[in-house]
Amino acid sequence: EAGVAQSPRYKIIEKRQSVAFWCNPISGHATLYWYQQILGQGPKLLIQFQNNGVVDDSQLPKDRFSAERLKGVDSTLKIQPAKLEDSAVYLCASSLGLARGVDTQYFGPGTRLTVL
Amino acid sequence: AQSVTQLDSHVSVSEGTPVLLRCNYSSSYSPSLFWYVQHPNKGLQLLLKYTSAATLVKGINGFEAEFKKSETSFHLTKPSAHMSDAAEYFCVLNRDDKIIFGKGTRLHILP
Repeated sequence: EAGVAQSPRYKIIEKRQSVAFWCNPISGHATLYWYQQILGQGPKLLIQFQNNGVVDDSQLPKDRFSAERLKGVDSTLKIQPAKLEDSAVYLCASSLGLARGVDTQYFGPGTRLTVL
Repeated sequence: AQSVTQLDSHVSVSEGTPVLLRCNYSSSYSPSLFWYVQHPNKGLQLLLKYTSAATLVKGINGFEAEFKKSETSFHLTKPSAHMSDAAEYFCVLNRDDKIIFGKGTRLHILP
């Protein structure tokens, strides 16, 4: 079974530039998550989708971050414009979505973003 | 408000000795609790989870954790550490899809 795929693996940009990350979840997984993991900290949930609907985006900085999951499969996370403090690893995860609150999440390898 | 506290940012044990990684939680209702492991340059992987069934939960690689409601704890243990256990460990709370990760505990294994 293929795992969660993410691209790119690394990205370096200047502040005020835009960047987009892509995630392909495990086939058949209804729930998709985007996390931000700053160095030395635990992952912070940015947004959670159930199929193509948003379940929770309370910690997404909506003035600069956006995410979509068209057709309930792949997802993209965009930052526009980027700030220095956005330097982090962006993790995508997916789960079956059958049991609320108890699903096992499967994580991708992450995208390491450096903002200069 | 819900929260997760991992009491130690770093833990060092000798190979073959027991491992204890501590996690305390705060939640108005019984949450689901998870332990995930992150090896260097690898993705996060589930070790075990508590979902209101048995309070003693067994996971992969010989790890287990006990849910103690009276102490609001979910500590992770292993009887005998192996070099391959060196990694970062995260305690995670999930209540009604509110997902909160602890700050992580880095486990060092001494030869």
